[in-house]
Amino acid sequence: DPKIIQKPKYLVAVTGSEKILICEQYLGHNAMYWYRQSAKKPLEFMFSYSYQKLMDNQTASSRFQPQSSKKNHLDLQITALKPDDSATYFCASSQDLGYYAEQFFGPGTRLTVL
Amino acid sequence: GDSVTQTEGPVTLSEGTSLTVNCSYETKQYPTLFWYVQYPGEGPQLLFKVPKANEKGSNRGFEATYNKEATSFHLQKASVQESDSAVYYCALSDQGTNKVVFGTGTRLQVLP
Repeated sequence: DPKIIQKPKYLVAVTGSEKILICEQYLGHNAMYWYRQSAKKPLEFMFSYSYQKLMDNQTASSRFQPQSSKKNHLDLQITALKPDDSATYFCASSQDLGYYAEQFFGPGTRLTVL
Repeated sequence: GDSVTQTEGPVTLSEGTSLTVNCSYETKQYPTLFWYVQYPGEGPQLLFKVPKANEKGSNRGFEATYNKEATSFHLQKASVQESDSAVYYCALSDQGTNKVVFGTGTRLQVLP
């Protein structure tokens, strides 16, 4: 059974619209993250959460808003979508925060903005 | 800021030959170093990690030594198999941070 579920697997959106990417983890972890992987850049850290609290935010734009309704959920809301937002977005989790922590990644949501 | 530089791919090898993927890093602190592997349609998965300088990590025949003096963490395997075909990422996570910084990845293709 998949331990980290991301929905949907593929998403197509039009410029200016808003989308929510879903992430649920069933590993019993306390920390969750979002990363982005685009054709132009390597895997890039976006956010970290611990016990549903935002700990790190590396995105320059407020258009990206993580939302944690439950300890094992961390969704990503993206507003005013732009073609440059096209990327695969990976959710990850680890037992706890820490630079030594092993992060487990989900299968990703591939977003295409037209 | 922290950064990771690794061998540019793609790397194409025949089954049974040896692999080296170079990785060097820049950081001001004392990071944990990682190698991740990513198969098509999946997220990266940890191959192994090494938290301390001068120690070696290994898994599935792959190994790398954390060389603090040379700031390197080269991935090696003595004999690759077709099933090793994937993208390999060198990465680090620095003390006091919660993020993993990834290299650009090295695509490995192993021919039968």
